[in-house]
Amino acid sequence: EVLLVESGGGLVKPGGSLRLSCAASGFTFSDYSMNWVRQAPGKGLEWVSAVSGSSNYIFYTDSVKGRFTISRDNARNSLYLQMNSLRAEDTAVYYCAKEGARGWPDAFDIWGQGTMVTVSS
Amino acid sequence: DIQLTQSPSFLSASVGDRVTITCRASQGISSYLGWYQQKPGKAPKLLIYAASTLQSGVPSRFSGSGSGTEFTLTISSLQPEDFATYYCQQLNSYPLTFGQGTRLEIK
Repeated sequence: EVLLVESGGGLVKPGGSLRLSCAASGFTFSDYSMNWVRQAPGKGLEWVSAVSGSSNYIFYTDSVKGRFTISRDNARNSLYLQMNSLRAEDTAVYYCAKEGARGWPDAFDIWGQGTMVTVSS
Repeated sequence: DIQLTQSPSFLSASVGDRVTITCRASQGISSYLGWYQQKPGKAPKLLIYAASTLQSGVPSRFSGSGSGTEFTLTISSLQPEDFATYYCQQLNSYPLTFGQGTRLEIK
């Protein structure tokens, strides 16, 4: 079974840091680009960041550039999101999502269950 | 950045109805568009990729069409489990973007 499981969310003060993890199983992790998508409470989906299979290509949405860092460890089948200088507007459920392999970028065919990040004093 | 505008934002319909949701892109994106379904408290689920290709395991009552700047998602005969929020996503260029969502509710 193809599975993505996020962890690492929680409550953090403004200006603080958090590291999210996403454990992948059931597929050859290194063959696929991976993404982080977030959803603020009661709001729509917002793409955050993407990393190619070999980490050669990395992209971010403007609002997190310079604060968030995406990375992956193909030996551990894991995706990460290091979040620094957190702001209240970063409060959201964070999903990791696997792309298909029909092109690049490709639609997100597998999603994790999400992990909640709350930034509040 | 490419903006996606979905219409309507809210839709009330009955079981058995045929419904269509539109997604318009601020610039041409060829067929690089996906559609997702999200139910409350759950992760999104991919329904359609490449604008019109049905994802494996998705019922055939779902269909997608369009290219360039205008796209549609059609549900041919609504089932109780289809009441959810639907999002389009462009995969033409980074930053990837989603539409604001269409909430489909039971009339």
